Amino acid sequence: DIQMTQSPSSLSASVGDRVTITCRASQGISNYLAWYQQKPGKVPKLLIYAASTLQSGVPSRFSGSGSGTDFTLTISSLQPEDAATYYCQNYKSAPLTFGGGTKVEIK
Amino acid sequence: EVQLLESGGGLVQPGGSLRLSCAASGFTFSSFAMNWVRQAPGKGLEWVSAISGSGDRTYYADAVKGRFTISRDNSKNTLYLQMNSLRAEDTAVYYCAKGRSSYASSYGMDVWGQGTTVTVSS
Repeated sequence: DIQMTQSPSSLSASVGDRVTITCRASQGISNYLAWYQQKPGKVPKLLIYAASTLQSGVPSRFSGSGSGTDFTLTISSLQPEDAATYYCQNYKSAPLTFGGGTKVEIK
Repeated sequence: EVQLLESGGGLVQPGGSLRLSCAASGFTFSSFAMNWVRQAPGKGLEWVSAISGSGDRTYYADAVKGRFTISRDNSKNTLYLQMNSLRAEDTAVYYCAKGRSSYASSYGMDVWGQGTTVTVSS
């Protein structure tokens, strides 16, 4: 099974900061990776698929990159509404595992 | 409007069974894979199972393999999860989620239901 490891598990940053979250797959998954955002008490929301393709309606301050085993989610200018937990997910092969999540807090 | 509405959650004793349903509307149900994802209290997302649009391919997490069965009725636009031999560690909110493609691997999940709570306790 492919394991997905996210880092850091949490971070605190100021409004306007550039934030980067890393996701590492235990084996190569090409670009078969999605990123989700889950705000407290809310349902998860798809941000990015195919490692770097922005889902319709997602602000352009979000971007994704990477291929193979190493991926990043970047928020170019952190906004108060970005406080949430972010998850990566492998969909190269089953089980379609999620990473452990990265909680982003606003200072 | 694309919508997913889960039902069937509740309190069940260890070893018991429960059947979850997810009613879909607003899209061509049979054209898209569907998934179940769960979230235990205070924990992260855990993918549980997926089924292709036609229903001919299914995938399961190791934690539920042999105990849970995913199925769909495309004539009723409904997804199911039959859960048997339930354990305390199955306690979670269960979400159904629409895949972006018809393949069971789904290529990401772009629509999520509000979730239904399953509690396994004596």
